[in-house]
Amino acid sequence: DTEVTQTPKHLVMGMTNKKSLKCEQHMGHRAMYWYKQKAKKPPELMFVYSYEKLSINESVPSRFSPECPNSSLLNLHLHALQPEDSALYLCASSQASGSGTGELFFGEGSRLTVL
Amino acid sequence: AQSVSQHNHHVILSEAASLELGCNYSYGGTVNLFWYVQYPGQHLQLLLKYFSGDPLVKGIKGFEAEFIKSKFSFNLRKPSVQWSDTAEYFCAVRNTGGFKTIFGAGTRLFVKA
Repeated sequence: DTEVTQTPKHLVMGMTNKKSLKCEQHMGHRAMYWYKQKAKKPPELMFVYSYEKLSINESVPSRFSPECPNSSLLNLHLHALQPEDSALYLCASSQASGSGTGELFFGEGSRLTVL
Repeated sequence: AQSVSQHNHHVILSEAASLELGCNYSYGGTVNLFWYVQYPGQHLQLLLKYFSGDPLVKGIKGFEAEFIKSKFSFNLRKPSVQWSDTAEYFCAVRNTGGFKTIFGAGTRLFVKA
């Protein structure tokens, strides 16, 4: 079991749909992340939030919109996605920069299929 | 820019064989180093980490890794693998004090019973 909870586990959406992925952690971590993982590839960083503020956006297309409503929650809003966006989306958390070793705690992921 | 290179993409071993997975990184500053493991159907989890001190670090399930700064390497070892070690192993590097963790391409290990 992981202490980072992601919902939904599976999502199928059309290219005109709007959907959201949700992530929650209760470890008191102040940094939260979205990674994208394609089949047989390593996780690729998309966004980082630190103390609820966006710290890193790895040039992700605007059809992906992150949101951090509070220190425990992280959302990823999806709109007008393309079939090539189909992937496993991983949420992770860690202690804030400057403290701890930067170990990431991952959720089980949300598997997204775009038709 | 940071990069992580894992030398072996697929490894097949028999039980009780020794394992060594290579990892080299490229980064000019101080780094924290990690090995993460993804067992079939499970989430990514930490196997071991190095951030300072003794360059030989021990992790869960009998794994260890050695940080050799002069070689920019952080190789993973286990003296005797078990069937349950079948998984994908990712080496990762993060600049100390930063947020960006970069993963290597991964090594798929299959251990034959």
